[in-house]
Amino acid sequence: DAGVTQSPTHLIKTRGQQVTLRCSPKSGHDTVSWYQQALGQGPQFIFQYYEEEERQRGNFPDRFSGHQYPNYSSELNVNALLLGDSALYLCASSLSRDRPNIQYFGAGTRLSVL
Amino acid sequence: QKEVEQDPGPLSVPEGAIVSLNCTYSNSAFQYFMWYRQYSRKGPELLMYTYSSGNKEDGRFTAQVDKSSKYISLFIRDSQPSDSATYLCAMSALNSGGYQKVTFGTGTKLQVIP
Repeated sequence: DAGVTQSPTHLIKTRGQQVTLRCSPKSGHDTVSWYQQALGQGPQFIFQYYEEEERQRGNFPDRFSGHQYPNYSSELNVNALLLGDSALYLCASSLSRDRPNIQYFGAGTRLSVL
Repeated sequence: QKEVEQDPGPLSVPEGAIVSLNCTYSNSAFQYFMWYRQYSRKGPELLMYTYSSGNKEDGRFTAQVDKSSKYISLFIRDSQPSDSATYLCAMSALNSGGYQKVTFGTGTKLQVIP
């Protein structure tokens, strides 16, 4: 049973560029959440997708957007990259009806903005 | 003030020691309390979760919640070098939309010396 997979593993971009990160959830999971983890910090919630819609969102600007496909896979898009966007981006999947909503994480995509 | 506070460490202990990791929180709406372990360059991995005040044990790990003091702990008995990682506390509460939102601490970096 494959766990949460993310691609790419590493990415280097320059300021002002746009980036797309991808996530395939754990088999059977229908909810995908995205987090940003800066060095030495805990994960910060970006947003969550369920049934192809953004269900809740953290305190991130509109430059951060996402999408969920019918097969539950998801993308995170970041426009107009800033140096401060350099971080590990984590995808977590879960089953919406579970209580608690236990999230299973992928290994992350490490984004460096130069 | 952050909703969840966690001492970042680093915490260095000899092999076989009992380790105590702690978090405090300010949001009394938190319902579920979780501990994740994150190895270097990996995604967080769920260790344990609890719902109410009290203790929960799983092998060498014991999670403790004191809702009256808004304080949670993770104890590791007979610590091993393989326990060296960053430990993240996480808590979830229902948001205004009725969905569970998870908030993480900053993580405590633990090193177990052989």
